[in-house]
Amino acid sequence: AIQLTQSPSSLSASVGDRVTITCRASQGISSALAWYQQKPGKAPKLLIYDASSLESGVPSRFSGSGSGTDFTLTISSLQPEDFATYYCQQFNNYLITFGQGTRLEIK
Amino acid sequence: QVQLVESGGGVVQPGGSLRLSCAASGFTFSSYGMHWVRQAPGKGLEWVAFIRYDGSNKYYADSVKGRFTISRDNSKNTLYLQMNSLRAEDTAVYYCAKDLFIAAADNFDYWGQGTLVTVSS
Repeated sequence: AIQLTQSPSSLSASVGDRVTITCRASQGISSALAWYQQKPGKAPKLLIYDASSLESGVPSRFSGSGSGTDFTLTISSLQPEDFATYYCQQFNNYLITFGQGTRLEIK
Repeated sequence: QVQLVESGGGVVQPGGSLRLSCAASGFTFSSYGMHWVRQAPGKGLEWVAFIRYDGSNKYYADSVKGRFTISRDNSKNTLYLQMNSLRAEDTAVYYCAKDLFIAAADNFDYWGQGTLVTVSS
C-alpha cells in the first residue's frame, strides 16, 4: 500500500501566520490527493481535492499544490478557527491511505 | 442537503459481530462510491473499505480483509458494514463517507457523524 508521511506531526503558530504542511507519498500518485481538516469530536472536512482544487465553501486562504510524490497544504493567514488536525489522503488506487495527521496548535 | 447518518455501534465482546448502517439522503446514492473510515480513540484516520456505486467491486484494508464485509442497498439508500471476529484493535469511531465524483473512488466530500464501536470483554 502507498504510504503517506506528513510533516511536521505538530506545529505551533499564531493568528496571522503563514503555515505549510507537507505530505510525501511512497510512490507517485499523480494528483490523486486530498486534504482534510478535523476538529475534536467532529468528522473530517474536505478542504482541497485533486491536490490543488479548493472545495466549495472553503476559505481562499487554504491552498494545495504538488503532484507525483510531494504535496503541500498552505494556510496563508491563520485564523482562530483553523486550529485543528489536518490529514492528507491518497486515492491513486482503490487501496486508500491517510497520512498520520498534523496537529496545528495556537502558540 | 446531503446527509449521512450512521447507526449500529455499541459494545461487543472480542470475537463478536456487529453490523453498521449508514442512511444516505440528499443525493443520488446509486451514482456514488461509498467508504467506511475509522478512527481509534486519540489516533488518526484509517480507511476501512470501499464499494463501487453499483456494488460491483469492493476493496478492503488489509487490517479488516476477511473479517469485514461492505455492502449497499441502493433501493434503500443505505450502506452497510458487517463486522465479524472483532478484536480490541477494531475499537474506533466508524464514519461512512461519500465520494466527490460520480462512479469513482476519490476525495470524500461528505461524512457522517460517526458511530462508536467498542470491543471489550
